[in-house]
Amino acid sequence: GDSVTQMEGPVTLSEEAFLTINCTYTATGYPSLFWYVQYPGEGLQLLLKATKADDKGSNKGFEATYRKETTSFHLEKGSVQVSDSAVYFCALSNYGGSQGNLIFGKGTKLSVKP
Amino acid sequence: NAGVMQNPRHLVRRRGQEARLRCSPMKGHSHVYWYRQLPEEGLKFMVYLQKENIIDESGMPKERFSAEFPKEGPSILRIQQVVRGDSAAYFCASSPEQLTGETQYFGPGTRLLVL
Repeated sequence: GDSVTQMEGPVTLSEEAFLTINCTYTATGYPSLFWYVQYPGEGLQLLLKATKADDKGSNKGFEATYRKETTSFHLEKGSVQVSDSAVYFCALSNYGGSQGNLIFGKGTKLSVKP
Repeated sequence: NAGVMQNPRHLVRRRGQEARLRCSPMKGHSHVYWYRQLPEEGLKFMVYLQKENIIDESGMPKERFSAEFPKEGPSILRIQQVVRGDSAAYFCASSPEQLTGETQYFGPGTRLLVL
């Protein structure tokens, strides 16, 4: 079945460092890909998404490109801030397979130190 | 436009009791999804509902768990005879349509603790 694999955390960075969180997927057909962020004690918020190959999603300085050839959707940010500390989840939805429910990776916890 | 609302935010139950979790989707949204997040894990799909219909319950445990989304009122996730392994955060999400790439909007979750 469909699945998402993302890099294990935790990831600890200094403020203004470059961030990459790797995400790869396995899916039939043409899934849509998402990054969600979860702050402590809260629900998930959509960070960005891409619905077809070569699309780039971007928001708040974060970006990710849908790479069908490598089945990847890596999250990047050029300069992280302390306020970016959270857990980041990569996810896919695939109406050809999972009927639209989201399939999540296990999450990557990011801690940014001042 | 209010977001997805869930209540209670925290729920404590003793083993054998029932837990009822409520979810009100965003205004105009007719699709509701329930997910469970175990400690240190990602979210796992449980059930997908539209008004008065269960569309996909492939992620629901076969026993003790049930869900509904009545014509009026919130969606309810019901767990009977809770056990300690049911302790988790339960998240509800809603979307206006079931279309490719449609965003699901999440509520703040209900954190269930079974003593």
